[in-house]
Amino acid sequence: KNQVEQSPQSLIILEGKNCTLQCNYTVSPFSNLRWYKQDTGRGPVSLTIMTFSENTKSNGRYTATLDADTKQSSLHITASQLSDSASYICVVSAMGGADGLTFGKGTHLIIQP
Amino acid sequence: DTAVSQTPKYLVTQMGNDKSIKCEQNLGHDTMYWYKQDSKKFLKIMFSYNNKELIINETVPNRFSPKSPDKAHLNLHINSLELGDSAVYFCASSQDRRSEQYFGPGTRLTVT
Repeated sequence: KNQVEQSPQSLIILEGKNCTLQCNYTVSPFSNLRWYKQDTGRGPVSLTIMTFSENTKSNGRYTATLDADTKQSSLHITASQLSDSASYICVVSAMGGADGLTFGKGTHLIIQP
Repeated sequence: DTAVSQTPKYLVTQMGNDKSIKCEQNLGHDTMYWYKQDSKKFLKIMFSYNNKELIINETVPNRFSPKSPDKAHLNLHINSLELGDSAVYFCASSQDRRSEQYFGPGTRLTVT
């Protein structure tokens, strides 16, 4: 069964600090891995999308890594800002199948001033 | 300039009623989706649809039905609403099923 596990479930850090969110998956056959940011009361917004051959991708202060061998991904946030407070959702796409998307339950990140 | 729009933003209705949520995308995408996000904030896909194929998550009750009058619209119709249908429903679109998805702002449905 395809699964995506995210950790930690929630995280509180001080403004200006860095943090790393984890995503482990068992989705097969793998197509791509996506990180989304969801602000409270808003729809998710795509941060990065990585295919099998990519092991790192950046979007401003967000850097995602992918290890397809160990089936792990991380999202590193540098110099956090109050606006980074949100839920971060890891989504893994499988080739073929019904819709091919497996969602993690998200990490709820709170940035404190 | 809104890429994916949904109406209404809030919907409060009584059990047993039938309601629809509208979704429109102006991105020229071929694939559209409906998601349900429950009180625990877990996103679950309900449908994905392009002009060739409708894929339904097998856990979705048949009271829910997507209707697409054209490529830019995918409306969600719900019959005989139940208390458990209360959630936030998100529409999304993408160029194809492997591309990143663009989400609408969500519709908060409350069934009383």
